[in-house]
Amino acid sequence: NAGVTQTPKFQVLKTGQSMTLQCAQDMNHEYMSWYRQDPGMGLRLIHYSVGAGITDQGEVPNGYNVSRSTTEDFPLRLLSAAPSQTSVYFCASRDRVGTEAFFGQGTRLTVV
Amino acid sequence: ILNVEQSPQSLHVQEGDSTNFTCSFPSSNFYALHWYRWETAKSPEALFVMTLNGDEKKKGRISATLNTKEGYSYLYIKGSQPEDSATYLCAFMGHSGGGADGLTFGKGTHLIIQP
Repeated sequence: NAGVTQTPKFQVLKTGQSMTLQCAQDMNHEYMSWYRQDPGMGLRLIHYSVGAGITDQGEVPNGYNVSRSTTEDFPLRLLSAAPSQTSVYFCASRDRVGTEAFFGQGTRLTVV
Repeated sequence: ILNVEQSPQSLHVQEGDSTNFTCSFPSSNFYALHWYRWETAKSPEALFVMTLNGDEKKKGRISATLNTKEGYSYLYIKGSQPEDSATYLCAFMGHSGGGADGLTFGKGTHLIIQP
């Protein structure tokens, strides 16, 4: 049982480049979310989805785009990378009825 | 944005000692309170999901209590071991959805167990 699979684990981008962080879950969870983790800031919600075809913004959505075409996949797109987007990114999924969240292994992104 | 506070921010404890830390959250529209354990270079893993006022949960040497009326939860670790070193996160979920996706995280308590 793979759980939540997140790729890549590490990435270095130049300012202005775009990229997509991939997230897939095999638990048939309805809720999927993207968080970023910065020193002293805890986990901050970027975007989330409550089901295929439905997405919404979280606390820090600027500079990021998401889509949810299937239940399993929830990619996060950086449109034009900026140094302020240097962070560790986590994807998470959970069942809609509010049980525990399952996290991917994280992506450490550096924008130079 | 909901206010979920954890204290202390960091904690150094001698091996063998017991310790506890706090999560405070809004006392209205409560649905659930989650605790996660987050080791360095790994991803957060759930410890407890608590839903009822007065709930007490236990997993080995780690236990948690919940007071929804006053909006706080305590996490206790008995007889700390070096492998308990981690960041402990709490997350609030409200009936109205809590945070946008239902979970609002605190900033965590960073626990270091000293041999």
